[in-house]
Amino acid sequence: NAGVIQTPRHKVTGKGQEATLWCEPISGHSAVFWYRQTIVQGLEFLTYFRNQAPIDDSGMPKERFSAQMPNQSHSTLKIQSTQPQDSAVYLCASSSVNQDTQYFGPGTRLLVL
Amino acid sequence: SQWGEENLQALSIQEGEDVTMNCSYKTYTTVVQWYRQKSGKGPAQLILIRSNEREKRSGRLRATLDTSSQSSSLSITGTLATDTAVYFCATPTNSAGNKLTFGIGTRVLVRP
Repeated sequence: NAGVIQTPRHKVTGKGQEATLWCEPISGHSAVFWYRQTIVQGLEFLTYFRNQAPIDDSGMPKERFSAQMPNQSHSTLKIQSTQPQDSAVYLCASSSVNQDTQYFGPGTRLLVL
Repeated sequence: SQWGEENLQALSIQEGEDVTMNCSYKTYTTVVQWYRQKSGKGPAQLILIRSNEREKRSGRLRATLDTSSQSSSLSITGTLATDTAVYFCATPTNSAGNKLTFGIGTRVLVRP
């Protein structure tokens, strides 16, 4: 079991460019979560999917951020027209249905110049 | 915010010492999870405690939960240098119990 896989581990983009972050959940897990971590705001919930369906995106900035889960083996977080304030570590987690424990990936560190 | 200000802490201790970190929350919950995050890694759950347990142990870890005071604590006995990490408490904030809100965290440095 390789755990939750996130790629890339580091990404540097210029202001205004698009960034796509990938997450491969643990095989068999039906829930996938995205979080953002910064020094100032800490760990913030962004969105989550259950059985590939979007359930709660209340933490997602309404503009420029979108998340998808086209199949059970991966999810993507896309940020359009990146801004310096989007710089953060983006964490993906997965869990089994009805399981309280979330298993986190190592995160993608995004730096927007 | 879900969390009390006293959650923000940085502690530096000697290997072998015991450490306790506290977490106070504002919205009623019946379950608190404690996660540990080491440098360059994602958080990993250490222990989950429910209100009907009040205290839970796992190896060198001991967690408590007091729903009347809306607080939880995590203690580590006989710390090791490998316990150096940031420790977070987290509570669910949706009815399904899986949308977690994390505290600011306690940074613990264990000196060898």
